[in-house]
Amino acid sequence: DTAVSQTPKYLVTQMGNDKSIKCEQNLGHDTMYWYKQDSKKFLKIMFSYNNKELIINETVPNRFSPKSPDKAHLNLHINSLELGDSAVYFCASSQLRRGLDEQYFGPGTRLTVT
Amino acid sequence: KNQVEQSPQSLIILEGKNCTLQCNYTVSPFSNLRWYKQDTGRGPVSLTIMTFSENTKSNGRYTATLDADTKQSSLHITASQLSDSASYICVVSTKGGSQGNLIFGKGTKLSVKP
Repeated sequence: DTAVSQTPKYLVTQMGNDKSIKCEQNLGHDTMYWYKQDSKKFLKIMFSYNNKELIINETVPNRFSPKSPDKAHLNLHINSLELGDSAVYFCASSQLRRGLDEQYFGPGTRLTVT
Repeated sequence: KNQVEQSPQSLIILEGKNCTLQCNYTVSPFSNLRWYKQDTGRGPVSLTIMTFSENTKSNGRYTATLDADTKQSSLHITASQLSDSASYICVVSTKGGSQGNLIFGKGTKLSVKP
C-alpha cells in the first residue's frame, strides 16, 4: 500500500511542451508539497498546500502551478518546459502532530527536457 | 542568511564499522532539525526529528545529536550495513509545524563496502 504515489515515474519531453505530474497520498494528511532535486542532488521546496490553500510559494517561475482537486491530491503543471526544468520532482505529505510534522515522500518523477 | 552545511560530502566505510556525519546550521529562528535517508532513485525517508529541547534521539542503529548552542548536529550510524549506503540529508526548520520554512543541506553520500 503506497503512502505517497506519483505518476509518471519518468517523463521525457521536448522544450516548449506543457506537462503535468500527478501526486496522491492515502495517509489522510492535510499538507502536501512539491520538491525539486537538481543534478547535484540538492532538494529545494517549491510549494506546499494546506487545506487547498497555498501557504509556501518559493521563488519558482510562474510556469509551474500546483493544483489540488482535493486533500489527497496535489498535481504539478508545468507550461513551456525549458531545459533547466530537467530534474527529479518529489511530492510529499505531512500532518501536524504535537507541534511537529513528519514528511512522507513519494518515489519521485524524473523529468528530462530535450 | 539561513544555511545548512554538511560534512563530509562523501564517505566510504567498511561494513560493520561506525561512522558519524556532521551538520552545522545558521538558521534563525530555529524550530527543529531533521535527518533524512535517501536511497538512490527513491524519495527521502525521515530518520529523526529533534526540537530545541532535545539533544539526542535514536532510531535503531541511527543516533542523532543536537547542540543548539553551537548549532551543530551529528548522525551516528552503528555497525553499518550495506543497506546504509545512501545520501543523508540534514534539514532545519525555522518554524514549527507544516508552515515551517525548511532549509536543506546538500547531503552526505555514504557508501558501505563489504
